Amino acid sequence: DTGVSQDPRHKITKRGQNVTFRCDPISEHNRLYWYRQTLGQGPEFLTYFQNEAQLEKSRLLSDRFSAERPKGSFSTLEIQRTEQGDSAMYLCASSLGPGTSGSPYEQYFGPGTRLTVT
Amino acid sequence: GEDVEQSLFLSVREGDSSVINCTYTDSSSTYLYWYKQEPGAGLQLLTYIFSNMDMKQDQRLTVLLNKKDKHLSLRIADTQTGDSAIYFCAANYGQNFVFGPGTRLSVLP
Repeated sequence: DTGVSQDPRHKITKRGQNVTFRCDPISEHNRLYWYRQTLGQGPEFLTYFQNEAQLEKSRLLSDRFSAERPKGSFSTLEIQRTEQGDSAMYLCASSLGPGTSGSPYEQYFGPGTRLTVT
Repeated sequence: GEDVEQSLFLSVREGDSSVINCTYTDSSSTYLYWYKQEPGAGLQLLTYIFSNMDMKQDQRLTVLLNKKDKHLSLRIADTQTGDSAIYFCAANYGQNFVFGPGTRLSVLP
């Protein structure tokens, strides 16, 4: 399967613990996005990378959240000192960037990581 | 700021057409999208339309865009039970993609 993959698919953690999620984009995609989706809502944009550079961050991304994409391939999203309000599905998406032969506006989503904070 | 709205529920009978509607507030978006989400899964891109187009057809899917009214619709012809899912409308503003709350489509036999 050459789609976007995310790991783990489910994570249950106690309040105050740190968690880290991983996203592997489609291999030729140089743009990578993180979203959060709560029950009954659409995805909310968190942050986006072009290659290894983090170019945009939403105001939803508090200081407890950090994302990296060190080699421009996979990305990690870490949440420190988790709170119950962090419980959500965390979605990763990837797309081609400018200067490529395909459309940079087609985002392909992974299956998501469901986080439950108890 | 940017906002995207959708009706939350739609029920249709198998074989009928479904029309899912969406409105958005900021007309500066470049593209408008429709995604499908099945239970426990990520979002699947169905189709998208460039903001200077009025219509796009792709097999059973027809997208209509009324830029003056900031209204987007998705028509699914000959709706099947496999079309039961949540459908999200989205607009992009640069690399910020804004999604609506989703319309849950139920297809009745």
